[in-house]
Amino acid sequence: AQTVTQSQPEMSVQEAETVTLSCTYDTSESDYYLFWYKQPPSRQMILVIRQEAYKQQNATENRFSVNFQKAAKSFSLKISDSQLGDAAMYFCAYRSGNNAGNMLTFGGGTRLMVKP
Amino acid sequence: DAEITQSPRHKITETGRQVTLACHQTWNHNNMFWYRQDLGHGLRLIHYSYGVQDTNKGEVSDGYSVSRSNTEDLPLTLESAASSQTSVYFCASSSLSAYNEQFFGPGTRLTVL
Repeated sequence: AQTVTQSQPEMSVQEAETVTLSCTYDTSESDYYLFWYKQPPSRQMILVIRQEAYKQQNATENRFSVNFQKAAKSFSLKISDSQLGDAAMYFCAYRSGNNAGNMLTFGGGTRLMVKP
Repeated sequence: DAEITQSPRHKITETGRQVTLACHQTWNHNNMFWYRQDLGHGLRLIHYSYGVQDTNKGEVSDGYSVSRSNTEDLPLTLESAASSQTSVYFCASSSLSAYNEQFFGPGTRLTVL
C-alpha cells in the first residue's frame, strides 16, 4: 500500500515571500500521479497542481511549482510571491497509474499561514 | 455547469442511529468516492465505485456502506452511528483516466453524540 507523509503540520510565510511545503511518499509502482490540493476555510478541496511520474520536467502553474524527485520519492510544493489568499491547508496526494486504482491517498496536511 | 453536491452540510445525530449522507454529481463520471477527514489524518478513503452496481471497500470502511443504483448518486450509510464516526465527509468523482482530476463536494460535517 502506498503512504504519503507531510512532515510539516504548520508553516508560515511573509506575504510576497516564497515557501516550500514538503511531501514524501512510498510506493513500489513506477506509474503514478501526484497532486497538491488546497483546502481554504470554506472546506472546498481545490486542485493546485499535478505531476505525472513519467515526466522529468517539474510541473508549474503560475506561482505554484513542484520539485519532483522520483528516486527520493519526494514531491515538494513551492509557492512564490505568497498572497493572503494562499492561507489554507495543503494536502499532497498519490494516485496509482493503473486504472484499477483511481482513488487518492492523502498526506496528513500542512497548514500554511501567510503574514501580512 | 456540472457540479457535485452533498447533503446535508451539517448533521447531528445520536449514537446507534442510522444516518445516510447524500452525494450527487452531474459530471456523468463513472468513478465516485467517499472520504472522511480527521485532524492529522488528511482524507481517508471509505468506499468507492467505478460504475452502477459496483462498490468497493476502502481503507476505513467498517461501519459504512454504499450503493450505486445510477451514475449520478452514491449515498453513504452509517448503519449504527458511533462517536468515532464524528468527522467531515467528502464525496468526490472523476472520469476513468488516472490523470484526471477528482472533483470534490463541499463536505458534510457529521457529529455523533
